[in-house]
Order: sequence, then C-alpha cells, then structure tokens
Amino acid sequence: DAGVTQSPTHLIKTRGQHVTLRCSPISGHKSVSWYQQVLGQGPQFIFQYYEKEERGRGNFPDRFSARQFPNYSSELNVNALLLGDSALYLCASSTRGQYNSPLHFGNGTRLTVT
Amino acid sequence: AQTVTQSQPEMSVQEAETVTLSCTYDTSESDYYLFWYKQPPSRQMILVIRQEAYKQQNATENRFSVNFQKAAKSFSLKISDSQLGDAAMYFCAYRSSVVYNQGGKLIFGQGTELSVKP
Repeated sequence: DAGVTQSPTHLIKTRGQHVTLRCSPISGHKSVSWYQQVLGQGPQFIFQYYEKEERGRGNFPDRFSARQFPNYSSELNVNALLLGDSALYLCASSTRGQYNSPLHFGNGTRLTVT
Repeated sequence: AQTVTQSQPEMSVQEAETVTLSCTYDTSESDYYLFWYKQPPSRQMILVIRQEAYKQQNATENRFSVNFQKAAKSFSLKISDSQLGDAAMYFCAYRSSVVYNQGGKLIFGQGTELSVKP
C-alpha cells in the first residue's frame, strides 16, 4: 500500500506570494494533519481535518488555511508568504484522528521563501 | 498547555553500544500517549515506540525500549546494540487523550541528533 504522499517535494516562492501544498493520505485513512517544521526545531501542529471538517487548529495566523476533499486528500494554503514561512511542511494521516489512532507521516514539502 | 523538552541537542554512540535519549514533559492530564519518532535525512517521521500513560509497563520494540516515569514526567529512549542505520534526529512527542477538538495533535520536543560511530 502507498504511504502518505505529498506534493511538491520542494518549491521556492517569493515573499507575498501564495502557495498550495497537497497531501494524499493512506488508503482508508479519514484524518489528515498538517505540521510545520522550521529548521532545527520539532514540528508544530497547524491543522487537523477529519471527515472534511476541521477538528483542530494550532497557533498559526489566518494566512494559513486548509481543506479536506471527499476523497480525504487535503490542501494546505498559505497566503502573503513571509520569510519565516520557510520550513518543511509535513502531512500525517490516521484512521480516525483520535488520540489512539497512530499518525503516519509523509516525506514533507520543503518550502523556501525568498 | 503541555510542553515537551529534550535537553540533549546531540548525542553520539559507538556502533553496537547502548545510548539513552532523554525527554521530559509537562502536563496536568492523567491520560495521554508519549511517542518517540525518528527522522532520518529522508525527512519522513517514523514512529519508533509509543507508551500509554495508564500502562505501568515500559514499552519495548526490539532494540528500542523506554523508561517511563510518570510521577517525574520523564520518558527516555534506550537504544541497544546501536546500528549505523539508527543515526537520525529523534523526537519525543506528547498526545493528549482528553479533548477531542484538539484534533489529536502531537506536541514535539526540539529533537536530539544521534550519530553512530563505526
């Protein structure tokens, strides 16, 4: 079975631009979470979606938004990019999104903002 | 709010020897999960081992074991018979079981970079 897939693997954007990151969960997983990992730090929780509804939101500005589609794939959108948004963005999926449902991570999207 | 602290930014171990990575956390909850994740240069976060707070017995997965001290809020990872493939960044993480609308989020520590010397 395919694992969590994320696209693109790398991208470079300019300050002020908008970016969309994509994630396809493991087949049968209905929950998707997004994390931001700045270089040298641990990942920080951004969002969690379950059954197309937002179930959790981390301490990120409104420039960050996400959605989940009927096939359970997800997009993370970031508007008005800042240099500080440069990071590895990780997507994780789980069966039900509850605390006892293990998270499976993708390889991430490396975003560089110049 | 819960926090996770890893006080060892870097650790080094000789191949075939044993190393222990430290983690402490802060929470007022009584039921939660603790995890150790490994992140190699490939960037994928790989689950190494997990511990349920209500279980007294320390979790073990092959060469990996934990020392879970609930009262001290300590959760260390022991790697026995270290192998070159164990070299990676290791993250300790906490997950609440209490509030559903937190979305089952993981709270990560800063990480410990483990190098394995041949």
